[in-house]
Amino acid sequence: IVLTQSPDTLSLSPGERATLSCRASQSVISTYFAWYQQKPGQAPRMLIYGASIRVAGIPDRFSGSGSGTDFTLTISRLEPEDFAMYYCQQSGTFGRGTRVEVK
Amino acid sequence: QVQLVQSGSELKEPGASVKISCKASGYSFSNVDMNWVRQAPGQGPEWMGYITTNTGTPAYVQGFAGRFVFFLDTSVSTAYLQINSLKPDDTAVYYCVRGPWDVWGQGTLVTVSS
Repeated sequence: IVLTQSPDTLSLSPGERATLSCRASQSVISTYFAWYQQKPGQAPRMLIYGASIRVAGIPDRFSGSGSGTDFTLTISRLEPEDFAMYYCQQSGTFGRGTRVEVK
Repeated sequence: QVQLVQSGSELKEPGASVKISCKASGYSFSNVDMNWVRQAPGQGPEWMGYITTNTGTPAYVQGFAGRFVFFLDTSVSTAYLQINSLKPDDTAVYYCVRGPWDVWGQGTLVTVSS
């Protein structure tokens, strides 16, 4: 399975809404679909699992949706600490990531 | 709390071997598989495979069989990744990750250079 994330880079301002996409090359089981955030020098941190379930402690401005081949991570209002790399994952396989940067 | 602590950075010459350790604490080590992930500079994470901690049986993703070896010492709740015949392309941060992908080690930077 190949996971294609888009866009490569998202340039937004704090307070704006971010919508990140991940498309799978074939239909996948949502149970094993996750989103991660990674900041420089840190390990990835799981935000969402099962496509839409927030990990304990993750702010509710992060939400995941989707099924089949198309999945979305939405950050409702960007906080300064949200500017980072984001990766989708299906059963171990990772996408190439979307960078959310300050506009 | 559940924690994975990895060994420190390594600088190796091409052709050498390296062994990375990942010590688990805060949970029953033999009840949860352990994944290994490689992240080359500027690249996304890449799943290398996992080891079943109750049997010690490794499973390698295509491309990581051969020079990469996963093994355990359950007496000290530690998983190991050994990389043999190192190449410059092996330069990366290597992470151990608990089975459900919920807890990551801090990463070990391996630099391969002459």
